[in-house]
Formats: sequence, C-alpha cells, structure tokens
Amino acid sequence: AQTVTQSQPEMSVQEAETVTLSCTYDTSESNYYLFWYKQPPSRQMILVIRQEAYKQQNATENRFSVNFQKAAKSFSLKISDSQLGDTAMYFCAFMTALKTGNQFYFGTGTSLTVIP
Amino acid sequence: DADVTQTPRNRITKTGKRIMLECSQTKGHDRMYWYRQDPGLGLRLIYYSFDVKDINKGEISDGYSVSRQAQAKFSLSLESAIPNQTALYFCATRNQPQHFGDGTRLSIL
Repeated sequence: AQTVTQSQPEMSVQEAETVTLSCTYDTSESNYYLFWYKQPPSRQMILVIRQEAYKQQNATENRFSVNFQKAAKSFSLKISDSQLGDTAMYFCAFMTALKTGNQFYFGTGTSLTVIP
Repeated sequence: DADVTQTPRNRITKTGKRIMLECSQTKGHDRMYWYRQDPGLGLRLIYYSFDVKDINKGEISDGYSVSRQAQAKFSLSLESAIPNQTALYFCATRNQPQHFGDGTRLSIL
C-alpha cells in the first residue's frame, strides 16, 4: 500500500523568507509521480509542482522547488521569497505509474501562514 | 470556462435525505474521481472511473454510490445522508496531474 506522510500540520514564515515543507512516502513501486498541491482559503486545489521519479533532477517552478530524495523516499517543497498569497494548505501527493488502478494518495496537509 | 464544474457549491441538508453531487468536465478526459476532504485527514478517494463502463471503489466507498452518465459527467450520491458525511467533496479528472473542481461543501444536520 502507498502512504504519504506530512509531519508538519502547521508552519509559519515571515514574508520574503524561505520555508521548507516536508513529505515522506512509502511505496514498493519504482516508477511513480509526486506532486505538491496548494489549497488557498478559496478551497481550490492548485498544482504547484510535480516530479517524475525516474528524473534525478529536482523540479523547479519559479519560487517553488523540490528536494527529491528517492532512496530516502522524501519529497520536500521549498518556497523562496515567501509572499502573502502563499498562505494556504499544502498537500503532498503520490501516484503510481501503473496503467491500471493508478490512484492518487494524499498526505494530511500542512497549513502555511505567511506573516507580513 | 472551468475544466471541471461541480454543483452545488454548498449544500445543507438533513439526516436521511438523498443527496446527489454532480461533476462535469469539458476536456474529454476518460478518468474521473471523487474525493472527500476532512480536516486533518487530507483527501480520501471515494470512487473513480476510467471510462463510462469502468467504476471502481476507492478507500472510503461505504455509504456512497456513483454514476458515470457520460464521459463528461460523474455524479456522487449519498442514498441516506448521515452527519459524519459532512465534508468538502472534490471531483477531479485526468491522473497526471489531476485537475480539480472547486469543491462542494456538504453539511448534514
């Protein structure tokens, strides 16, 4: 069974500072995908960044980057130059690359508050 | 236009009522999913469908049923709503990555 663990229920960061959200996962699969989704107070689920497990290079999207450690099954999200609009719940998610039966598995979320 | 549309956006109802949440998509994706979100529990999969004739139970399907009326439509029903089904419900399409609707907040009194 696949599991995703986010051990930080709440975090805060000063505006313009850098923050890292942690995520670990457990799987026996060798090929899979990892995602970070953002859920602002508007409750939309917005894709922040994704990583294919077969790629060694860490994904980057503007101020968002990941530290993907496949052997350690760790997938942390770094937000640089934090902005007030980054205040949201962040979910880490895992998906197998199997063609049949592939599902998303979500962590329990980290609530991030950016302090002015 | 939104790729994934959920109706209603909010709903308050009473215990024992039959409720239907609707989801439609405009992108022609085969795969559609229903999740519920509870505080501290993240999103949990209720049902998913890989095409009109392929419906699968997810992690927490008890008390729920679904109907895939067409490729673009995937409805979630609560036959007899109970208070612990109060939650935020999301529909999603595709799988890599998933595209979500804006959610339906359902309150059962």
